[in-house]
Amino acid sequence: GNSVTQMEGPVTLSEEAFLTINCTYTATGYPSLFWYVQYPGEGLQLLLKATKADDKGSNKGFEATYRKETTSFHLEKGSVQVSDSAVYFCALSAVSSNYKLTFGKGTLLTMNP
Amino acid sequence: NAGVMQNPRHLVRRRGQEARLRCSPMKGHSHVYWYRQLPEEGLKFMVYLQKENIIDESGMPKERFSAEFPKEGPSILRIQQVVRGDSAAYFCASSSGTSGKNEQFFGPGTRLTVL
Repeated sequence: GNSVTQMEGPVTLSEEAFLTINCTYTATGYPSLFWYVQYPGEGLQLLLKATKADDKGSNKGFEATYRKETTSFHLEKGSVQVSDSAVYFCALSAVSSNYKLTFGKGTLLTMNP
Repeated sequence: NAGVMQNPRHLVRRRGQEARLRCSPMKGHSHVYWYRQLPEEGLKFMVYLQKENIIDESGMPKERFSAEFPKEGPSILRIQQVVRGDSAAYFCASSSGTSGKNEQFFGPGTRLTVL
């Protein structure tokens, strides 16, 4: 079946530091890949997505590139802000599974005070 | 445009009671997905519905859980005879179609606490 593995947190950074959250996946066929963000007490918001190999999704300074050869979709941001503190989920959907989302366990990003 | 709406936001039930969770999809969306977020387990798919049809319920526990999405009104996730292990955040998401390019928009969730 489909699965998503992302680095465990928490990740603690100083403001303006570089962020990388690793995500790899297992799926049949050609899934679409997503990063969602969840702020405390809220639902999930789509951060960015990529629907085919070599696509780069980007939003609010975050980027991720769909790498089929390494089955990866790592999230990066060049300079994190305090407001980026949240839980980040990598996810995939595929036609073989009715496009339901399969999530990684989430990575908590916290900022050094 | 109103987003996906869920109510109640918080629900407290005693063991053995019933819990009903409601989800109103975004306007124009006819596809609804329910997910459960258990502590330390991330989000897990439960059920996928279109109007009046259950398309995929492979993530639903076989007993006590049911879901519907009637022609009129919200989608309902129903948990009968709740147990402490049902305590979780339940999220629904809606989309406009069945392509992987169709984004799923999430509601704010219902946080169920079973005493």
